[in-house]
Amino acid sequence: AQRVTQPEKLLSVFKGAPVELKCNYSYSGSPELFWYVQYSRQRLQLLLRHISRESIKGFTADLNKGETSFHLKKPFAQEEDSAMYYCALSSHSSNTGKLIFGQGTTLQVKP
Amino acid sequence: NAGVTQTPKFQVLKTGQSMTLQCAQDMNHEYMSWYRQDPGMGLRLIHYSVGAGITDQGEVPNGYNVSRSTTEDFPLRLLSAAPSQTSVYFCASSYFGRDRVNEQFFGPGTRLTVL
Repeated sequence: AQRVTQPEKLLSVFKGAPVELKCNYSYSGSPELFWYVQYSRQRLQLLLRHISRESIKGFTADLNKGETSFHLKKPFAQEEDSAMYYCALSSHSSNTGKLIFGQGTTLQVKP
Repeated sequence: NAGVTQTPKFQVLKTGQSMTLQCAQDMNHEYMSWYRQDPGMGLRLIHYSVGAGITDQGEVPNGYNVSRSTTEDFPLRLLSAAPSQTSVYFCASSYFGRDRVNEQFFGPGTRLTVL
């Protein structure tokens, strides 16, 4: 079965500290992995996707097929990074808009 | 472009009442979805549509109906509201790009309380 697991409900760090939000998935095919972010009072939006291999707002995420993980990392957290983060999975060969989301992790960056 | 719009923003219902949550997008996206967001559960897919006239069930479809008569609109109907349907509902639409990556564009959400 397709599943996305984010083991931490809340991650609290101080400004300037490194951040790693964990995401593990189970999927038998070839997945597309995403990170979505929801800032306070804003709508959910795409942060980054593994296929683009890009860094957005200092965040990066590498797909590790051996460990079936797609952890989100940032070397130095900023207060404006405080938000809810969702990891999501889609089938690479799917022609639908169907995404499977994890439970979400709230990142709290303290001054 | 307005993107994805949802109405109403807030709604309170009594158990047994019915209502329709509206969703519209002006990006000519083929794919539209409804999710519910609950604490500790993340976003769970209720129903989705791959084009006008085509809908399918997601992970938690019971108690909800959808239809897709136009590309732009994808309403979600609660047939007989129950307290378990108290949640925040998000509508999303997506394109199917050349690289087959689905970026979902989300609406602002509807916060529904069922008493």
